Amino acid sequence: GAGVSQSPRYKVAKRGQDVALRCDPISGHVSLFWYQQALGQGPEFLTYFQNEAQLDKSGLPSDRFFAERPEGSVSTLKIQRTQQEDSAVYLCASSGRASRKKSYEQYFGPGTRLTVT
Amino acid sequence: AQKITQTQPGMFVQEKEAVTLDCTYDTSDPSYGLFWYKQPSSGEMIFLIYQGSYDQQNATEGRYSLNFQKARKSANLVISASQLGDSAMYFCAMIGDQGGSEKLVFGKGTKLTVNP
Repeated sequence: GAGVSQSPRYKVAKRGQDVALRCDPISGHVSLFWYQQALGQGPEFLTYFQNEAQLDKSGLPSDRFFAERPEGSVSTLKIQRTQQEDSAVYLCASSGRASRKKSYEQYFGPGTRLTVT
Repeated sequence: AQKITQTQPGMFVQEKEAVTLDCTYDTSDPSYGLFWYKQPSSGEMIFLIYQGSYDQQNATEGRYSLNFQKARKSANLVISASQLGDSAMYFCAMIGDQGGSEKLVFGKGTKLTVNP
């Protein structure tokens, strides 16, 4: 497909379990972003990659959250020892900008809805 | 720090009428960009329109236009000739120059309902 894809679309985890969320960006997009969207709220930034380099992880809420993009394409967001407050939709986005121009929009995937019980 | 404020939790509009969704922002960056995204009930964020802080003219994309008032730090979205399919959440977001990060900062959103 031409868009950003994410898997799984839905994930139910028991408290304390580890989860891994996958993002396939648009082919050739340099930048990849992860956002967390709680119910009824706007997305909040978690972390961002340019190619395989993680340039900003200031939004990761705790050291239980870890993201990687080892080959500069697919990315995985891992949450260890999940807690109920981790329940949210996790959105991945990619953009094609390779410069500091700000006009490149971020293309979002459909999200993964994580429910921690 | 950058901040986006959307003061309208919900808005209602009659089909075929125009509607304005409010957005104010705060930033210390001299250069920044403002975006509007639409999020239908399916959950996917759809890009609508972009305005750069140095753009001289207000951005337009089809039925969408951005009323950019830099001195007031506002970037309101105007949707003309509303359609039933416009019913969705609408988010204003900005990108700045802080530390070179390309992250978007979003507002809390406005839920738009278009009535037939």
